[in-house]
Amino acid sequence: AQSVSQHNHHVILSEAASLELGCNYSYGGTVNLFWYVQYPGQHLQLLLKYFSGDPLVKGIKGFEAEFIKSKFSFNLRKPSVQWSDTAEYFCAVTSGGGADGLTFGKGTHLIIQP
Amino acid sequence: EAGVAQSPRYKIIEKRQSVAFWCNPISGHATLYWYQQILGQGPKLLIQFQNNGVVDDSQLPKDRFSAERLKGVDSTLKIQPAKLEDSAVYLCASSLEGGVGTDTQYFGPGTRLTVL
Repeated sequence: AQSVSQHNHHVILSEAASLELGCNYSYGGTVNLFWYVQYPGQHLQLLLKYFSGDPLVKGIKGFEAEFIKSKFSFNLRKPSVQWSDTAEYFCAVTSGGGADGLTFGKGTHLIIQP
Repeated sequence: EAGVAQSPRYKIIEKRQSVAFWCNPISGHATLYWYQQILGQGPKLLIQFQNNGVVDDSQLPKDRFSAERLKGVDSTLKIQPAKLEDSAVYLCASSLEGGVGTDTQYFGPGTRLTVL
């Protein structure tokens, strides 16, 4: 069975600080990796995803993530955060092949202080 | 483009009562998912439909939970009877094709269930 670990449950940063949120997954086969975000009062929405090709993927709002297969990791980064990045961030994985429901991590609650 | 619609948004019931949630996916989306999100955790898949057929219900507690997707469009999720531990947000998501692992899933606003 797949599982996803997010190392930081709560992160507090000041505006303009750099961000890196950790995500590790456990599954030995081919995986597809996602970061979803939930802004206060809004639906879960996709930030970015990786399924093949360049392991460095860029998403919306200046976010990027790097897939490192040898480390089973897919960390999310942003060089300079803004107050509007305050949200809950979820890493998720699927293995495809028919049943492709997402397996989520527990999430990271990010607070950006102005 | 209209998003995934869910109703009701909030529901409070007593344990052992029944409850039903409704989901209308994005028009044309073949695949529909129901997730359960308990406070402090990430969403957990309950069931996946491809059109009106079940693809994966391995994590659905079938003694009390049931779901259907008639005509391959709307879906309902039912809990009968509810337990205290069913208190959670129930999320519906849809994707255009599904079944390949790379499709983006679009989520609805969720239904927050409180069981007293």
